[in-house]
Amino acid sequence: EVQLVESGGGLVQPGGSLRLSCAASGFTVSSNYMSWVRQAPGKGLEWVSVIYSGGITYYADSVKGRFTISRDNSKNTVYLQMNSLRPEDTAVYYCARMYYDFWSGYFDCWGQGTLVTVSS
Amino acid sequence: QSVLTQPPSVSGAPGQRVTISCTGSSSNIGAGYDVHWYQQLPGTAPKLLIYGNSNRPSGVPDRFSGSKSGTSASLAISGLQAEDEADYYCQSYDSSLSGYVFGTGTKVTVL
Repeated sequence: EVQLVESGGGLVQPGGSLRLSCAASGFTVSSNYMSWVRQAPGKGLEWVSVIYSGGITYYADSVKGRFTISRDNSKNTVYLQMNSLRPEDTAVYYCARMYYDFWSGYFDCWGQGTLVTVSS
Repeated sequence: QSVLTQPPSVSGAPGQRVTISCTGSSSNIGAGYDVHWYQQLPGTAPKLLIYGNSNRPSGVPDRFSGSKSGTSASLAISGLQAEDEADYYCQSYDSSLSGYVFGTGTKVTVL
C-alpha cells in the first residue's frame, strides 16, 4: 500500500527553524517527484516545493531562500528544512507524491499532514 | 494569492448537478498545461479527483467529470449526494511562476 507519513511539526518562534519529515512506503521516493503543499488555517492549498527524481529542486517564491527540500534514499524519506520562519508560514504541511510529464503534473498520493505554528 | 480563480461556494439539492469553474490565464491553463481537481473532506487531506483535465482515478465515481477549454476548466458533479459536501480545488502549472498552482477553492454544500 502506498503511504506517506509526515512528522516534525510543532510550535516554533518567529525566526526559528524546523525540519519536517515524510516517510514513504509502498514506493521509492528517489524514483518519483515529491512535493510539499501547505494549507494555512481556514485557507486554501499552496504548493511549497518539489524535488524531481533527478534531484532538481524548485520552490514557491514565498519560501525561496528559507526552505530546503531534500531526500534520504536509504530511509525512503523526504525532508523540508524550514529556516527563518514567519507567522505567515503557520499551516498544515502535506507531503505528496507527484505524477509528472511536461504538460501534466499532479499530486496523486498525500500524507495526513503535520501542523506548524509560528508564534511567540 | 492564487492565479486560478474559483467561485467561493456552490450548492445544490441531492440529485442535482452542480459545476465549479476554474479560470486561469495564458501562462497556465491557456498555455496548454493540464488541469487537475482535488476533493478535501472536512478535517482530512486532499484527494485526487480528476487528473489530466477529464480522467478519473480508480475508485472515483463517474458522477464526477472534468473538462477544459481555453483558459478555463470545469468540474461537474451530477447526482449530488450528501457525501459530496467538501472543498474542491483545481490545480495546474504556471510557466511565469515556474511552479504548481492551486485554485482558490470552492465549498460545495448539499442543501
